[in-house]
Amino acid sequence: AQSVTQPDIHITVSEGASLELRCNYSYGATPYLFWYVQSPGQGLQLLLKYFSGDTLVQGIKGFEAEFKRSQSSFNLRKPSVHWSDAAEYFCAVGEGGYQKVTFGTGTKLQVIP
Amino acid sequence: DTGVSQNPRHKITKRGQNVTFRCDPISEHNRLYWYRQTLGQGPEFLTYFQNEAQLEKSRLLSDRFSAERPKGSFSTLEIQRTEQGDSAMYLCASRGTFNSGNTIYFGEGSWLTVV
Repeated sequence: AQSVTQPDIHITVSEGASLELRCNYSYGATPYLFWYVQSPGQGLQLLLKYFSGDTLVQGIKGFEAEFKRSQSSFNLRKPSVHWSDAAEYFCAVGEGGYQKVTFGTGTKLQVIP
Repeated sequence: DTGVSQNPRHKITKRGQNVTFRCDPISEHNRLYWYRQTLGQGPEFLTYFQNEAQLEKSRLLSDRFSAERPKGSFSTLEIQRTEQGDSAMYLCASRGTFNSGNTIYFGEGSWLTVV
C-alpha cells in the first residue's frame, strides 16, 4: 500500500529565509506526487504536482519541489518565505489510475518576523 | 468554474443524531471523492465515485456512513447515529476526465462536531 511520511510535524522559519519541507513516499510504481497547502479551517489548495518528465516542478506562490526516485523523496522548497506562507503543508501520493490520493500527516509552518 | 461547494460548512449535533453533508463538484467533473480529516492529521480517503457509481469505499466507512451520487452530479454523505469519534472535517473533492487534467480540487470542507 502506498504511504507518505512527513518527518517534520512543525517548522519555524524567519520571514525571508529559505524553506525546505521533507516528504518521503512508498509506492511500487511511478508515483503521482502532490503538495497541498491548508490554512486553518480551510480546504486544501494544490501547490504543485509531479506526474512525469522534469523532476523539478514549479508551483504557485513561488514553491518548487524535486522528485528524487533514488531517495523516494519529493521535498518542497521556497527560496524566501513570506509571512502569508504560514499554514499546514501536506504531501500526497496518487495511486495508479489516480483513483485516490494518500496524504501525509502534514507539516505546520510558522513564520516569524 | 465555481469550485467545489460543500454544505453545511459547520454542523453541531448531539450524539445519536443523523447528519447529512452535501457536495457540489465542479461542473462536468465526473469523479468525486470524500475524505475525512481529524485535528493534526492528514485527510483520509473515504470513498470514490465515477459518475453515479461508487467504485471504492475505505474500511473507515462503517455501516453508519453512506454516500450517494444519484445523478452523477452532487453527492451526499450521511452519518447515522453519530458518535463523538465522528467529529472531524469532511472534505469533498472532484476531478475531471484525464484530458482535462489529473488535478483533484478540494472544497472548503464541512466541520462536524458531535456533542
